[in-house]
Amino acid sequence: QLVLTQSPSASASLGASVKLTCTLSSGHSSYAIAWHQQQPEKGPRYLMKLNSDGSHSKGDGIPDRFSGSSSGAERYLTISSLQSEDEADYYCQTWGTVAWVFGGGTKLTVL
Amino acid sequence: EVQLVESGGGLVQPGGSLRLSCAASGFTFSSYWMHWVRQAPGKGLVWVSRINSDGSSTSYADSVKGRFTISRDNAKNTLYLQMNSLRAEDTAVYYCARTLKQYSSPDYWGQGTLVTVSS
Repeated sequence: QLVLTQSPSASASLGASVKLTCTLSSGHSSYAIAWHQQQPEKGPRYLMKLNSDGSHSKGDGIPDRFSGSSSGAERYLTISSLQSEDEADYYCQTWGTVAWVFGGGTKLTVL
Repeated sequence: EVQLVESGGGLVQPGGSLRLSCAASGFTFSSYWMHWVRQAPGKGLVWVSRINSDGSSTSYADSVKGRFTISRDNAKNTLYLQMNSLRAEDTAVYYCARTLKQYSSPDYWGQGTLVTVSS
């Protein structure tokens, strides 16, 4: 079964960097995923599509501070030079034969 | 500028019906697959349904199959979700999103419309 696993929470200081992780279930390590940001009381915003080889394509207007990487079944989102507006929920998402699958989301707190 | 604007949400009693709309602009609507995703209060994102670019193929999550119907009007650049036999567990913010292909990531989302099912 295709499952995406994310840590429920993360925190980092203003101006620092943070790396969020999304883990694909066994047998699905070749899957591409997408990262989405959801700021409080807003709809999701597409950040990037991330392939198994680490190549990624970002959405319109997404700053260079956001980058993606991959290792095996792990997919990472790195945010550098953290700003207050980066405080949000971050969801990874992939697509099965019919349905989309979302991770549970990581709530990022900027200290 | 790509825009997806949902409407039609509101308060409905259990067993009732509601039709959501998603008005699209800023892109060639008829070239894109469209999806509905929902988010219960304080919870994560859950895929609900999708429709292909010409409306000939649809899919649903098991939780809504037989109760919800997705459709589109490419002449009006509008996506719909007809929701029947609503339950309390259908309470959520409903978002529409677009993808260029069946197996690709959504690159634009709407701002959502809240559906509350309660007596």
